[in-house]
Parts: sequence; structure tokens; C-alpha cells
Amino acid sequence: ETGVTQTPRHLVMGMTNKKSLKCEQHLGHNAMYWYKQSAKKPLELMFVYNFKEQTENNSVPSRFSPECPNSSHLFLHLHTLQPEDSALYLCASSQLDSVGEQYFGPGTRLTVT
Amino acid sequence: GENVEQHPSTLSVQEGDSAVIKCTYSDSASNYFPWYKQELGKRPQLIIDIRSNVGEKKDQRIAVTLNKTAKHFSLHITETQPEDSAVYFCAASKGNTPLVFGKGTRLSVIA
Repeated sequence: ETGVTQTPRHLVMGMTNKKSLKCEQHLGHNAMYWYKQSAKKPLELMFVYNFKEQTENNSVPSRFSPECPNSSHLFLHLHTLQPEDSALYLCASSQLDSVGEQYFGPGTRLTVT
Repeated sequence: GENVEQHPSTLSVQEGDSAVIKCTYSDSASNYFPWYKQELGKRPQLIIDIRSNVGEKKDQRIAVTLNKTAKHFSLHITETQPEDSAVYFCAASKGNTPLVFGKGTRLSVIA
């Protein structure tokens, strides 16, 4: 176990549904990330949070809404998704004020029907 | 911003042969270069990393080399085994910035 957990591991949702992905890190890191992984773009950075503040939003559509209530928890709220949003969503954490490893969670496999 | 290019996108080798994956980066201020391995259905995991004050680092069958002048770094796997089959990602950062990943290399080791 790497210390980064994600729930749920699998999610199937319709285009009109609202759901949330959860990530938790137990490593004392100060930065957390959401990545989208698909066949077309293997590791696409979506959002970066540093000490709970969002520092990067890589042109992600508004149907994805991140939330970082504290430095250990990260959410990705989903609403009115499209089938092309089906992918593996990976959470990661790291210590941004020192050079070092970024730890990934196991991911949530999302299917939008 | 940083841009990382990775080649090849797919690589097939015979078991026991060596595999080499190459990456280039654009930002000369980048100083940290990790390599991640992602097995099918699993999360990416760090296998080796190198900092800009070092030219080469080795850990058993894997090694990484860094050429700061040319801004490229490479992963070398010797005596490949079927369990080395996976997708490998290179990345670069300035330490206090998020990692920028390459597009990955799918390595297949044929028994």
C-alpha cells in the first residue's frame, strides 16, 4: 500500500448523474493531484492542489469540479459527463517543497454510459 | 513550461536482451528525473530517479543516464524478463513544480 487510497475503484454512471471520486493520502504530503489516463493521453494532469490551494487547472471542462478540504483529502465531483470522459482517474500526492517521489493511488475506473 | 518527449512509444525485446527508452526535456532548470513503471491494471510506481547533479545511477538491472547539456535522459534495462513488461513513463520537474510526464513506452518482453 503506497499510502494513497481512492474510492470507489470502479464507477459506472449515466450522463445525467452526479457522482464524486475521493482520494486520501496518509503520507503527510502538501500537494495533491488529479490525472486522467486514457489510451489517447496516457497521463494527463487535470488539477494541482498545494496546501489546499488550487495552483493548476489544465483547461479542464467545468463538468469536473475538484475540492480539497484539507491537505489529506481530495475530491473530484462529476456531473453531466460525456462518454469520452470514460477513463482511469488517478490521484497522486507529493511534497512540493522538496525534490522527491510522487505517489499514485490505485485509480478509479470510470465508465460513462 | 516544461515539455517531455519520450521514445519509442512501443518496444518489443527478446527475454534476456536489453531495452533502452529515451526522453528529452525542454526546461534547462529541471533538476529531477524519475521513471515510473505501470503494470497492467495497476498504479504507476517509481522504479528509479536521478537528480541533475548526477550523470548515472544504477539499481540492479535498471540504470538511468542523464545528459544535462543535451537535455536528455534514458532508462536502460538489462537482462530483461517477462515481468518487465509494462508501460514506462519518464518525467521531469524543477522540484517545487509538478512532474511533467512523457507519453509512455509500452515494453513487451517476449519469452
